[in-house]
Amino acid sequence: GENVEQHPSTLSVQEGDSAVIKCTYSDSASNYFPWYKQELGKRPQLIIDIRSNVGEKKDQRIAVTLNKTAKHFSLHITETQPEDSAVYFCAASIPPDSWGKLQFGAGTQVVVTP
Amino acid sequence: DGGITQSPKYLFRKEGQNVTLSCEQNLNHDAMYWYRQDPGQGLRLIYYSQIVNDFQKGDIAEGYSVSREKKESFPLTVTSAQKNPTAFYLCASTGGRLQFFGPGTRLTVL
Repeated sequence: GENVEQHPSTLSVQEGDSAVIKCTYSDSASNYFPWYKQELGKRPQLIIDIRSNVGEKKDQRIAVTLNKTAKHFSLHITETQPEDSAVYFCAASIPPDSWGKLQFGAGTQVVVTP
Repeated sequence: DGGITQSPKYLFRKEGQNVTLSCEQNLNHDAMYWYRQDPGQGLRLIYYSQIVNDFQKGDIAEGYSVSREKKESFPLTVTSAQKNPTAFYLCASTGGRLQFFGPGTRLTVL
């Protein structure tokens, strides 16, 4: 089955710096890769996603890149702000399921210090 | 994701008790999921359902049961066979490829 590894497990950055989180997946047939942000005690919220036919996607200060050959994808947050502090999860679709079943990474705790 | 509700928000269970967690969605989504989240860990799939009256085991189904009698409802029962049920439980549903989560139920065993 699909296996998703996420690094680092914790990330501390100064406000205004960039943060990068990396994930690798095992099944080359995976074709959908969402990222979720979870604040303490809250539900995970979808912040950006990318499909396998696209190499990069950007939405304001966040961007995701995908390298299908290497089977890894990354989340980039620029100009970090204290409200970016949260746990971030990457996920990959589990083939051949087309109903949205996902395999999640273990999460990255991001701390942005003013 | 405001169309997915879970109740209760907090639940306390005594040893040997079965408890049922509610999940309702008004998004007309076919697929629904239950995840378990332990402190500092990711989301682990318990059960999922792609259609009414059908459901499949996920990675950690032992000690749990579900039903899917209506499209909008997917309740999870934590049975006494689940030896370590204290966790945060998240329900989700999928429309197209987008998966949205409910607010969660925090279950504590007394």
